[in-house]
Amino acid sequence: SYVLTQPPSVSVAPGQTARIPCGGNNIGGKSVHWYQQTPGQAPVLVVYDGSDRPSGIPERFSGSNSGNTATLTISRVEAGDEADYYCQVWDGSSDHHVFGTGTRVTVL
Amino acid sequence: QVQLVESGGGVVQPGGSLRLSCAASGFTFSSIDLHWVRQAPGKGLEWVAFIPHDGGKKYFADSVKGRFTISRDNSKSTLYLQMNSLRAEDSAVYYCAKEYERLGYFDYWGQGTLVTVSS
Repeated sequence: SYVLTQPPSVSVAPGQTARIPCGGNNIGGKSVHWYQQTPGQAPVLVVYDGSDRPSGIPERFSGSNSGNTATLTISRVEAGDEADYYCQVWDGSSDHHVFGTGTRVTVL
Repeated sequence: QVQLVESGGGVVQPGGSLRLSCAASGFTFSSIDLHWVRQAPGKGLEWVAFIPHDGGKKYFADSVKGRFTISRDNSKSTLYLQMNSLRAEDSAVYYCAKEYERLGYFDYWGQGTLVTVSS
């Protein structure tokens, strides 16, 4: 089955840039989606199709995808960005959706 | 506005059964593909099951295949998850999620319902 690997944690100072990698075999050939989840809340879509943002999501959130790594980038990090972030793809070989292992972003 | 409201969670003994419901509003339910996603306490997200808009071919995670069934009643705008032969590792918050226009991502989620499998 397809596996998506993320680092357990990323720490960043306010105003700096956080980069969250999501590793998967040839993930560059897939559409990658990203979700933000704060404690006790349901996930919220923040980036879809690699780099597009739903309405209401700040431009500070962006994505890229190439080779074996997709990346969610949060620019000018704010305290409110502290959350868990998950990447997600659809694996056509199994018709299963797959989530990454999740990354906790801590704002120092 | 779009709303997804899960219900039916609770405490059940190992080997028992439970049926979850997800009541939807704010969109044309019969046109939308839907999913169940779960999250064990302190763990990450795990996709569980998929049902297309017309109730056709369904897909399940390997961890629940043969034990869980997914169904929908388009006349009631309600999604269901029938969970049988429950195990301790099925304990989780279960979310229903709406897929955006069959493009593989989830644009709306419910608030979740907690299932605890324990003796």
